[in-house]
Amino acid sequence: EVQLVESGGGLVQPGRSLRLSCAASGFTFDDYAMHWVRQAPGKGLEWVSGISWNSGSIGYADSVKGRFTISRDNAKNSLYLQMNSLRAEDTALYYCAKDMASSGWFLVDYWGQGTLVTVSS
Amino acid sequence: QSALTQPASVSGSPGQSITISCTGTSSDVGGYNYVSWYQQHPGKAPKLMIYEVSNRPSGVSNRFSGSKSGNTASLTISGLQAEDEADYYCSSYTSSSTLEGVFGGGTKLTVL
Repeated sequence: EVQLVESGGGLVQPGRSLRLSCAASGFTFDDYAMHWVRQAPGKGLEWVSGISWNSGSIGYADSVKGRFTISRDNAKNSLYLQMNSLRAEDTALYYCAKDMASSGWFLVDYWGQGTLVTVSS
Repeated sequence: QSALTQPASVSGSPGQSITISCTGTSSDVGGYNYVSWYQQHPGKAPKLMIYEVSNRPSGVSNRFSGSKSGNTASLTISGLQAEDEADYYCSSYTSSSTLEGVFGGGTKLTVL
């Protein structure tokens, strides 16, 4: 059974940093691209960042480019999102999501339950 | 990275069929067959309903179908049931140089 378990969310002040983690199990992690998707309270889904199976291809939404860094550790079956210079508008539930392809065609077949990030003073 | 355009809401009676549209550009929906549809019930994670325009994952009812014409993709739900009431999002791959994706704004389906 595929499982994606996010952690690392919480309340953080504007301008500070936070690192999200996603522990994957139930599939061969290094065969697939992975993504972070967020959902602000009462709002729609927003793609944040994606990374191919070997970290050779990485993309970011314009809203987080230069502030967020995605990475993965295939030996640990883990996905990460380093979030710096956080803003109030980054407040959201952050989902870890598995792509159906290794290179990442944004075909997400499994989602975690999300970790909540709240940016507020 | 503009969001794909979906109607904010659609509604239908049990047993009827509805269609949700998803309009993008030649850089996303029109340029690739990597269009997906997700169903999200309140407080739950999204669930994949359609991938690669028209393919259904195992376990998804055949009442759900997808198609695409030009820059617009569509999700059709036939034989509406009460449990279909949810938010629906389309998504598309959107770049050939870096790994990027985009969602639609979401459509609230109400089963009357």
